Amino acid sequence: QKEVEQNSGPLSVPEGAIASLNCTYSDRGSQSFFWYRQYSGKSPELIMFIYSNGDKEDGRFTAQLNKASQYVSLLIRDSQPSDSATYLCAVNPYPGGGNKLTFGTGTQLKVEL
Amino acid sequence: GAGVSQSPSNKVTEKGKDVELRCDPISGHTALYWYRQSLGQGLEFLIYFQGNSAPDKSGLPSDRFSAERTGGSVSTLTIQRTQQEDSAVYLCASSLAGTSGTDEQFFGPGTRLTVL
Repeated sequence: QKEVEQNSGPLSVPEGAIASLNCTYSDRGSQSFFWYRQYSGKSPELIMFIYSNGDKEDGRFTAQLNKASQYVSLLIRDSQPSDSATYLCAVNPYPGGGNKLTFGTGTQLKVEL
Repeated sequence: GAGVSQSPSNKVTEKGKDVELRCDPISGHTALYWYRQSLGQGLEFLIYFQGNSAPDKSGLPSDRFSAERTGGSVSTLTIQRTQQEDSAVYLCASSLAGTSGTDEQFFGPGTRLTVL
């Protein structure tokens, strides 16, 4: 079983719709969770992090965390063609010292006109 | 301000040769990380530096891989006797402290290594 799992997609949504990206993780002790966006041929850029159960909103993005169910999700409202990218879920399995991240393989999002 | 920089951006080498990849972290960031991303794979952690020391080298795939960091700044990842399976994009990231579970890691543009 992979430590961090994501559906590879592609996930296709029409422009203006809500895109929902999901991620599950295996280490129940994981403390913090990150969403990165990666355009083709580019390096990952951080969108959001979350470490408390519940929702965290930042502009059009909302991260949701449910530690009991071991899943984290990213919602993108009013999706735009520029949101088309691969979204990487990353988990920090070690509380405290160090920030070693374990990444999922990413979900490819396509926002269609 | 300047972000994380890496050089070279592309490296093509022959099997069996040694290569050195360089990373310049964001000024003031004490933590530095190396990852690699193979085609169709997620990012794979290699090594983490806190200052000049490497408390976690658990991701280095073999003893052909080594890394060092000097002056709490620049880091070099060395791959000896390269193999074709070493072909990947090598990404460097830095973060302010590295001791907080929510420390944000900022990635450089990567070095694409191709071993022929």
